[in-house]
Amino acid sequence: ETGVTQSPTHLIKTRGQQVTLRCSSQSGHNTVSWYQQALGQGPQFIFQYYREEENGRGNFPPRFSGLQFPNYSSELNVNALELDDSALYLCASSLGENHSPLHFGNGTRLTVT
Amino acid sequence: GQSLEQPSEVTAVEGAIVQINCTYQTSGFYGLSWYQQHDGGAPTFLSYNGLDGLEETGRFSSFLSRSDSYGYLLLQELQMKDSASYFCAVRDPQAGTALIFGKGTTLSVSS
Repeated sequence: ETGVTQSPTHLIKTRGQQVTLRCSSQSGHNTVSWYQQALGQGPQFIFQYYREEENGRGNFPPRFSGLQFPNYSSELNVNALELDDSALYLCASSLGENHSPLHFGNGTRLTVT
Repeated sequence: GQSLEQPSEVTAVEGAIVQINCTYQTSGFYGLSWYQQHDGGAPTFLSYNGLDGLEETGRFSSFLSRSDSYGYLLLQELQMKDSASYFCAVRDPQAGTALIFGKGTTLSVSS
């Protein structure tokens, strides 16, 4: 059973640029959610995809967007990067059922300069 | 909206017992979860309480009181490897099965 994998592990971008982060779900999982985790804080929910449709969104601006593909892998895109976007971005997959635990990847550390 | 409160830091020695409390406010409640995250690592699922009472998994137990909007994670026979951040989390009813996390409690276990 392959776990959740994210790429890249680290990334440095300049303010105003765009970035795409990638996530491969755990085998058999049809739901993926993305979280932003600032240093010393808990993960903050960005959005969730279920069977290629966004079915929930947290308090993030529209420049944060995503996709889920037929194989349930996913992308997070962030446009017009700001310094405050510097954080660990975590992807989590699950079975999409009530109370299904989230399985997280190791995250992508994004630094915006 | 949803909000969770938990202590920011807890310290303990090896072999001790520690309790991490969590109080929550939600517009709809679907259970309380706990996750562990080591420095630089991925959060990992520890436990889930959907109903009142105690759930035990090895050295870790979790408790829920829905009437008090309160839960706790109990860690027994502490080991150095238990040094990590612990997050309580509730479901966001507006967002499928996504979770809203507390800010986390950093547990430091010393010898």
